[in-house]
Amino acid sequence: EAAVTQSPRSKVAVTGGKVTLSCHQTNNHDYMYWYRQDTGHGLRLIHYSYVADSTEKGDIPDGYKASRPSQENFSLILELASLSQTAVYFCASRTGGAPEQYFGPGTRLTVL
Amino acid sequence: QQKVQQSPESLIVPEGGMASLNCTSSDRNVDYFWWYRQHSGKSPKMLMSIFSNGEKEEGRFTVHLNKASLHTSLHIRDSQPSDSALYLCAASMGNTGKLTFGDGTVLTVKP
Repeated sequence: EAAVTQSPRSKVAVTGGKVTLSCHQTNNHDYMYWYRQDTGHGLRLIHYSYVADSTEKGDIPDGYKASRPSQENFSLILELASLSQTAVYFCASRTGGAPEQYFGPGTRLTVL
Repeated sequence: QQKVQQSPESLIVPEGGMASLNCTSSDRNVDYFWWYRQHSGKSPKMLMSIFSNGEKEEGRFTVHLNKASLHTSLHIRDSQPSDSALYLCAASMGNTGKLTFGDGTVLTVKP
């Protein structure tokens, strides 16, 4: 099964601070995605990328930036963290030739 | 923006019973429907996907799709306590494969 890892697994940040969440995949997948999940709800797409050095906006990009410096790595950056960004963040990847996405274990972010 | 609606919000079934979950998309351009299971504190794990009209069965799980109504349903027979989880339906379209999720159905299987 595809391997997607995320770091850190949990983080506490202060309001107004900068937060970087990292995602790494070892399966040579083209596509990578960042989703957030609020308690008791489904996942919502923040940013995605289909090639290194390029990112695209998802459904809820405001307040987030993304970076894809290599095929294996995809970061999510919160320049000015806010209380409303407290959530669990999931990274996923997939190959261009098949539709299934593989999810990482998630990062629980708490903004105080 | 596409919406995915799931019902019911929560469901309790007895061990050994049948659980039926529903999902509808608002966008006719959907290519695939996906069903994920998410246990508490874990990441979503894909159960089944379907893209053509009809039925697909894998073990105790059966998925139906009616493309005309953009409605899919997941049926779990012989439900087990380990099936207790949040079940998420998602729809994808186009080459980007972006997933739009519903808010899920919380299934509880009572021993």
